[in-house]
Order: sequence, then structure tokens, then C-alpha cells
Amino acid sequence: DQQVKQNSPSLSVQEGRISILNCDYTNSMFDYFLWYKKYPAEGPTFLISISSIKDKNEDGRFTVFLNKSAKHLSLHIVPSQPGDSAVYFCAAGATTSYGKLTFGQGTILTVHP
Amino acid sequence: KAGVTQTPRYLIKTRGQQVTLSCSPISGHRSVSWYQQTPGQGLQFLFEYFSETQRNKGNFPGRFSGRQFSNSRSEMNVSTLELGDSALYLCASSSYWTALNTEAFFGQGTRLTVV
Repeated sequence: DQQVKQNSPSLSVQEGRISILNCDYTNSMFDYFLWYKKYPAEGPTFLISISSIKDKNEDGRFTVFLNKSAKHLSLHIVPSQPGDSAVYFCAAGATTSYGKLTFGQGTILTVHP
Repeated sequence: KAGVTQTPRYLIKTRGQQVTLSCSPISGHRSVSWYQQTPGQGLQFLFEYFSETQRNKGNFPGRFSGRQFSNSRSEMNVSTLELGDSALYLCASSSYWTALNTEAFFGQGTRLTVV
């Protein structure tokens, strides 16, 4: 039962353009969502998060959008840079499920110079 | 401020042995969660500790256990190691894990190889 899905295994973008990574979830109990960037054999690096009481959160080049009715969130990176190339994971949590994040399978982002 | 510290970074163990991994959370964070990452299963939740109490546990056998100390540092133990336990073990540090506090930070992980 995959409660968090990232349906695009990979995404290729030109430097300077926008990268849009998508994530869908099924569990209505999730009330916060996080995005992480990860390199092989390293821990995930926290990028940005959003609470279910919001529909948008921005931090520099990163913006996360949450559509609760569609159970969908997306991460926008503008402008994309070659250093953004990595695997991106979305994760969802519920306040009642202390500390348990449910992760998607990840999307490999490649930003070409 | 210092990030989440996991030790050791790499470990090689033999089947049947046991192993203990350590995690020091960000100063002031009282919650530590543990995850296992494998190529086939992705990131899977093991358990969470808050103020020395286990509040949540994932679907792993009893060979996987943990504890948290009064200074919030946490250890996880795997007994009777199996080849399938080879994975990257990650811990995450957070304040409260609620929709009002949505930041959670991971350590670099411990790469465990069972031979």
C-alpha cells in the first residue's frame, strides 16, 4: 500500500528553467509534508515543508504547493541549477503518528548546463 | 548549530552478530526517529523516541530495538544480523513532529553491510 507516490522516476531540465516535481498521497490523516534532496549513500537534506493548513510555502528558489482536495503536492525550483541534480523525495507525516514519515520512491532530477 | 550526527559511518558485520548504531540529534530536539533505506524498499520507518519513550514503531521484527537517553541521544540495536539487514540506517531529529512544526533533519547515515 503505497500511500505516497512520486510517479515520475526522473526529470530532465535545462539550467535556468523551472523544475516541477510532483507527489500524490492517499492518506487523509497526513497533515504535514516535506521535501528532501538526497545523494547516494548520504542522508536526505531537508529543503522545505508545508503544513496542511497552508497551500503554499516559499523559501528562496524553492516553493511547495499543496492541493488537499486532490491530495497532491508539488515542488517548484526556480531557476534550476546544475547543483540541484539529485534524487528528490517527498515525505508525509501525521501529527498522530509520532515521527513517522512516509516517503515516496523519489524522482531523479538532472539539470543540464 | 551542529547537525544530526550518526556514528559510525560504515560498518561491516557477520551474519548472526549484533550491532549498535548511535545518533545525536540537533541540540534542543527531543525526538529521534530511525529509518532503514534499501534499494528495493526505499526509506522505511523503524521507530521514534521522544523524551526516552518509544512512541511509535514500524513493521520490523523484534531484532530491531532502540533506546533514547536523557540527553536525547539515541541508539538502535540489531541482533542476530541477517544478510537482508544490509542497508543505510538514518536517524532524523525534530522538535515535536506536528503540523505546526514541520521541519525534520537527517543525519548522514550509517552504512551497514552484513556478510
